[in-house]
Amino acid sequence: GEDVEQSLFLSVREGDSSVINCTYTDSSSTYLYWYKQEPGAGLQLLTYIFSNMDMKQDQRLTVLLNKKDKHLSLRIADTQTGDSAIYFCAETMDSGYALNFGKGTSLLVTP
Amino acid sequence: DTGVSQDPRHKITKRGQNVTFRCDPISEHNRLYWYRQTLGQGPEFLTYFQNEAQLEKSRLLSDRFSAERPKGSFSTLEIQRTEQGDSAMYLCAGSKNTGELFFGEGSRLTVL
Repeated sequence: GEDVEQSLFLSVREGDSSVINCTYTDSSSTYLYWYKQEPGAGLQLLTYIFSNMDMKQDQRLTVLLNKKDKHLSLRIADTQTGDSAIYFCAETMDSGYALNFGKGTSLLVTP
Repeated sequence: DTGVSQDPRHKITKRGQNVTFRCDPISEHNRLYWYRQTLGQGPEFLTYFQNEAQLEKSRLLSDRFSAERPKGSFSTLEIQRTEQGDSAMYLCAGSKNTGELFFGEGSRLTVL
């Protein structure tokens, strides 16, 4: 995912909010995605946002999209130890079929 | 459980040997993807099928790699003359014409 950039590591205390940031380069991406990968498991879709939206909220998750700056963020409210995982930002590739992933942000939640 | 199964889960082979991985998506997944993931990296796109047609291949897919989806259901990914650089997790994902990809747990390849 050389075109999708993410910070590699984030550590938060249990109960605090986590904010994971992502920048992408393909302004034509119709959808942008957040996937979660727990140790030893495959990737799981957390949420996505349509490119004409600025914000999407889904329970503890809030996605913010700034199309002008090509910046996407994922906020997790009341972070729990079970949220510890790697979070991947993804954009649709030029072909419109496959996804281009970032390198992932490793979130560590401490008690 | 996404319903996507991959086999084998782990394969250890010697350099120069051929290996084959199998992916079984659920029947509703008309799209099937293969990705490769190495330590500390995100998944890298390899190839994509719409039913049985292979519609897109990454430049990462050298001529030693071949993928098939003969009946539009299961898929195989074969790597010939493996190299140490091929060591990675090979991920398969299915989808139903959306960007929501349902990933299997992956097949880990170790080339000695």
